[in-house]
Amino acid sequence: DTAVSQTPKYLVTQMGNDKSIKCEQNLGHDTMYWYKQDSKKFLKIMFSYNNKELIINETVPNRFSPKSPDKAHLNLHINSLELGDSAVYFCASSGASGGAKTQYFGPGTRLLVL
Amino acid sequence: EDQVTQSPEALRLQEGESSSLNCSYTVSGLRGLFWYRQDPGKGPEFLFTLYSAGEEKEKERLKATLTKKESFLHITAPKPEDSATYLCAVQDYSGGSNYKLTFGKGTLLTVNP
Repeated sequence: DTAVSQTPKYLVTQMGNDKSIKCEQNLGHDTMYWYKQDSKKFLKIMFSYNNKELIINETVPNRFSPKSPDKAHLNLHINSLELGDSAVYFCASSGASGGAKTQYFGPGTRLLVL
Repeated sequence: EDQVTQSPEALRLQEGESSSLNCSYTVSGLRGLFWYRQDPGKGPEFLFTLYSAGEEKEKERLKATLTKKESFLHITAPKPEDSATYLCAVQDYSGGSNYKLTFGKGTLLTVNP
């Protein structure tokens, strides 16, 4: 009964290709996120959607385009992949809890660009 | 800009040897401080949320505390299964629906039997 799931788990591709990562949550949350974890294991926010509206768009190349078809799904499309895009991408979600919102993470998608 | 610094970067303990991990933070206004555990090849797993200075939370062998400048994760009589990377993150009052987490670089804990 996975709460936040991502597909694929592994993605190996050539430079210049376009790829997509999908995320789904069954927690009934209204906010979803994409984080990037680099080779040094540092997690950094990329995007956030709240009720299908883009809320956070950190300094990310415009080759990265998130898309939220509904509150339970948030996809990440990457155009013209570069070597530096190799990383682990995590999806997360959070619900309405008054003050701070606890985020629950998916298992990650390991992207390797050759 | 929010900043989170965790120390030490790595910690090796013998089973049963208690210790603490540190998370120092700088935020304009703290909405919440979060502790996560991350096992190799997996996503961060939520442990605790702390909201205000003086607050403490416990779960099994773990206890998290919070002051106005730092948080500690105390590990009492650790077992090998406690080995993981422990991540600290803060959420501030940026306004609106911005609930992003700013993470530290983590502490890699290894507990030897």
